[in-house]
Amino acid sequence: DQQVKQNSPSLSVQEGRISILNCDYTNSMFDYFLWYKKYPAEGPTFLISISSIKDKNEDGRFTVFLNKSAKHLSLHIVPSQPGDSAVYFCAAPYSGGGADGLTFGKGTHLIIQP
Amino acid sequence: DTGVSQDPRHKITKRGQNVTFRCDPISEHNRLYWYRQTLGQGPEFLTYFQNEAQLEKSRLLSDRFSAERPKGSFSTLEIQRTEQGDSAMYLCASSSGGGSYNEQFFGPGTRLTVL
Repeated sequence: DQQVKQNSPSLSVQEGRISILNCDYTNSMFDYFLWYKKYPAEGPTFLISISSIKDKNEDGRFTVFLNKSAKHLSLHIVPSQPGDSAVYFCAAPYSGGGADGLTFGKGTHLIIQP
Repeated sequence: DTGVSQDPRHKITKRGQNVTFRCDPISEHNRLYWYRQTLGQGPEFLTYFQNEAQLEKSRLLSDRFSAERPKGSFSTLEIQRTEQGDSAMYLCASSSGGGSYNEQFFGPGTRLTVL
């Protein structure tokens, strides 16, 4: 049973514009959420995280928003750059919190067009 | 290079054979994780070590799978009597547990193909 869901398999955005990647979850007990980015033939790379007690976290061009009532989070990338083309995964702790393994969504393939 | 390394990067085997993969975590990290990723899916958690203790296993880790981390450093994942359904990318990750939210650092993975 998928606890973390990414319903858009792919997203195409023009260079310089905003990219918005969405993620829904079912477990209201998740302590935190993370976003990972993956290039072909490489392992996932950590991008940004957010605690369940916050509604926003920002790091440079990347901002994650959390809406707990809707069980929804989103990753905003502004402005989008060609190097942002990758698969993005939303993740949460497998057992809810702590130093657990992570449960991942299926990913969204972001394509930045020139 | 001080990142997570995995060996081999690719493995092709015949159904029924045993395979073993190795993961070397970032040296100061005491937590080590194994995941499996199949096409079109995100990584799926298999198991987790803190130092040499295996603390958690998912239901995906069938009896044919065994993982060890004998001295709390590198880890091995063995699959016995491989099946075609075992074909996947096997990812290893490590963390120090000291980050805010358990950021895990992944290796490049071992791609297993079972013929």
